[in-house]
Amino acid sequence: NAGVMQNPRHLVRRRGQEARLRCSPMKGHSHVYWYRQLPEEGLKFMVYLQKENIIDESGMPKERFSAEFPKEGPSILRIQQVVRGDSAAYFCASSPEAWGRGTGELFFGEGSRLTVL
Amino acid sequence: GENVEQHPSTLSVQEGDSAVIKCTYSDSASNYFPWYKQELGKGPQLIIDIRSNVGEKKDQRIAVTLNKTAKHFSLHITETQPEDSAVYFCAASREGGYQKVTFGTGTKLQVIP
Repeated sequence: NAGVMQNPRHLVRRRGQEARLRCSPMKGHSHVYWYRQLPEEGLKFMVYLQKENIIDESGMPKERFSAEFPKEGPSILRIQQVVRGDSAAYFCASSPEAWGRGTGELFFGEGSRLTVL
Repeated sequence: GENVEQHPSTLSVQEGDSAVIKCTYSDSASNYFPWYKQELGKGPQLIIDIRSNVGEKKDQRIAVTLNKTAKHFSLHITETQPEDSAVYFCAASREGGYQKVTFGTGTKLQVIP
């Protein structure tokens, strides 16, 4: 059973470009979460999605950031007009049930490291 | 919302010694406290968790303790080994309903051979 797959693992963009990060959850998981990890900082929640629905985007900046989890295909975190402060590792996690239920465990991918020049 | 503080930010121990990482949380309704280990270049992985109906839980060399009154919980690693070197994150959430998992800022543990 493949784990959470994220791609690309490394992405370099120039200021003003767009970054698209993809996440395929574990098989059988329909809940996806995106976290951002800045150097020397913890994991900051960004957004929680189920298939075709955004459940909680309270941690996502109001501008330039968007996320989707379509009926078919991976979840995508999109950052428009990137700035240097967007440089970070972006982690996707999935779970078979909404958090707070089941075992509570989140299964993380290996992250996408975005560098903005 | 929930706020989780974690200390220390870095910790160096000699191989074979014990390591202790401490966390505090702010939301008294939180009742699920997982610990994740992140190895270099990898994603975090759950290593142990504790729920509020118990005060301590052990799994081989790893143990977690929870003090609900003081709103703090700790990770204890005994007989540390070089492969324990990693970043450890504590987290808190509220089971039974929707409540996101809030992570601490992480502790970088270095076990010196």
